[in-house]
Amino acid sequence: DAGVIQSPRHEVTEMGQEVTLRCKPISGHNSLFWYRQTMMRGLELLIYFNNNVPIDDSGMPEDRFSAKMPNASFSTLKIQPSEPRDSAVYFCASKIELTLNTEAFFGQGTRLTVV
Amino acid sequence: AQKVTQAQTEISVVEKEDVTLDCVYETRDTTYYLFWYKQPPSGELVFLIRRNSFDEQNEISGRYSWNFQKSTSSFNFTITASQVVDSAVYFCALSEISTGNQFYFGTGTSLTVIP
Repeated sequence: DAGVIQSPRHEVTEMGQEVTLRCKPISGHNSLFWYRQTMMRGLELLIYFNNNVPIDDSGMPEDRFSAKMPNASFSTLKIQPSEPRDSAVYFCASKIELTLNTEAFFGQGTRLTVV
Repeated sequence: AQKVTQAQTEISVVEKEDVTLDCVYETRDTTYYLFWYKQPPSGELVFLIRRNSFDEQNEISGRYSWNFQKSTSSFNFTITASQVVDSAVYFCALSEISTGNQFYFGTGTSLTVIP
């Protein structure tokens, strides 16, 4: 298996532009997570899906952020409009949600820079 | 309140020394799971170990060992005979039944192994 695949690996955009981050979870995994990592705040859970349904989006910073999972093999995290404070590394992770006793596997992350 | 505390922000050791990374967690659940992840300089998050709350046996995997003590709510990680390749940020994480599927990460410990 190729693991969790995220694209792009790096994104530089100007303030005010729309940014879309993409994630392909591991085949067969039915839970998907979006995390944001910054020096100041560490790893923050933004949202997670179970069987393509958003379960908890309380970590989404504000209305500028939205996430979708149209099917079991694809998810997007969109920021519109982007701001410099959104600069961070965004990770996608997936796991099998049969019981709680499973680990999440992370993608390599997307490093977003908003100038 | 922080559910997972990694008090050591940065540690430096000389190659071949042993090093212990501390992790203290907080939960009211009787069923929960603890994890360690490694984040090397390349940036990806790599799963190392999972432990459930009913299994207090210590675990050894090569040069890595983990000491889980419910009495002190700790899940410490020891690297024996450290190597330069062990240089990374190490994260401890908690997953609880009561809060569903999400992982609570500590702030990480940055380990530098000096040759």
